[in-house]
Amino acid sequence: SQKIEQNSEALNIQEGKTATLTCNYTNYSPAYLQWYRQDPGRGPVFLLLIRENEKEKRKERLKVTFDTTLKQSLFHITASQPADSATYLCASLNAGNNRKLIWGLGTSLAVNP
Amino acid sequence: EAGVTQSPTHLIKTRGQQATLRCSPISGHTSVYWYQQALGLGLQFLLWYDEGEERNRGNFPPRFSGRQFPNYSSELNVNALELEDSALYLCASSLILAGGYNEQFFGPGTRLTVL
Repeated sequence: SQKIEQNSEALNIQEGKTATLTCNYTNYSPAYLQWYRQDPGRGPVFLLLIRENEKEKRKERLKVTFDTTLKQSLFHITASQPADSATYLCASLNAGNNRKLIWGLGTSLAVNP
Repeated sequence: EAGVTQSPTHLIKTRGQQATLRCSPISGHTSVYWYQQALGLGLQFLLWYDEGEERNRGNFPPRFSGRQFPNYSSELNVNALELEDSALYLCASSLILAGGYNEQFFGPGTRLTVL
């Protein structure tokens, strides 16, 4: 079945370092991947989208890559801050028209001051 | 511009009862999605409505149902509540863009507790 996997272990890093989160997909070819941030008890907030024909996308301190050979997307936060602490979700849509996003379980990031 | 709104914020029901959750999308968005997020299980897709029609549903039993009204707001109904229905229910809305690249905007969620 189509699946997205993210690191289940929480990621702890020091303020100022770069955080790198991984999203791996299996058994399908996403038309695009999306990254969302979710704070406890709240709905996810969209951050970035990268299409299958794009290698890299940037937005301020955020960078996303998409490697169709490795079937993987990496999400980077540079110069991390304690306010970046949250759960980050990866989601994708298979090529097609059913609009049913497939979601990863998310990776919890803690940035320590 | 107002974001996606959901009501109620919290809902407490007992097993066997029915729950009704409501969602108002961002103005101009025609698509509404419902998700269930139980502890440790991530976002589980429930339903997608667009232009008043159900377009897709996830792997949930028929007691999970809903509808979308002419103003694009939506309602999720859960009948014969079970303890495991306790979760955060999230609604999202989006535009349908060319190529299907639809960023979803989420509401704050309704926390349903079944006792």
